[in-house]
Amino acid sequence: QQQVKQSPQSLIVQKGGISIINCAYENTAFDYFPWYQQFPGKGPALLIAIRPDVSEKKEGRFTISFNKSAKQFSLHIMDSQPGDSATYFCAASQAGTALIFGKGTTLSVSS
Amino acid sequence: DSGVTQTPKHLITATGQRVTLRCSPRSGDLSVYWYQQSLDQGLQFLIHYYNGEERAKGNILERFSAQQFPDLHSELNLSSLELGDSALYFCASSGGDLPEKLFFGSGTQLSVL
Repeated sequence: QQQVKQSPQSLIVQKGGISIINCAYENTAFDYFPWYQQFPGKGPALLIAIRPDVSEKKEGRFTISFNKSAKQFSLHIMDSQPGDSATYFCAASQAGTALIFGKGTTLSVSS
Repeated sequence: DSGVTQTPKHLITATGQRVTLRCSPRSGDLSVYWYQQSLDQGLQFLIHYYNGEERAKGNILERFSAQQFPDLHSELNLSSLELGDSALYFCASSGGDLPEKLFFGSGTQLSVL
């Protein structure tokens, strides 16, 4: 039972473009939605997170858009750079329980 | 560097064997989470310990067990290993009891031959 569905599985974007990764969830009790970034040979690292009381959160070039009614949230990477090439995971948790992760999106930014 | 240390980095063993993976959390962090990462299943939550006590179990097999010691380091024990147990095992730590701001180690790559 996959509670957080992530798409696309892989994404190729040109340098300077916008990368968009989407996640959908089923459990309306989820109350914390982070995005993690993972480089090869490393563990995931927290990138940005949002709670359902706001519809958008921006940190630098990274923005989370949250649509509570559609049970969807997305990560937007503006002005994508080759250094952003990594695997991105969305996740969700409910009332402090352990994070449930999506299956990941491999982003390649071509120069 | 996340501050979370996992040893060993690589482990090669045979089916039926038992292995122990070790995790030292960031200084001061009381929570340790274990995750299994495979290509087809992604990151699967196994178990969570907080200050020495088990707090939650996820998709952890009965052949697997874990503990957190008084010095807060944690060990994940995998026994009667099968080929399908080959995966990357991560531990992550956080300061409190909530899964916010998890800091992941670099993982232990387990290969069961």
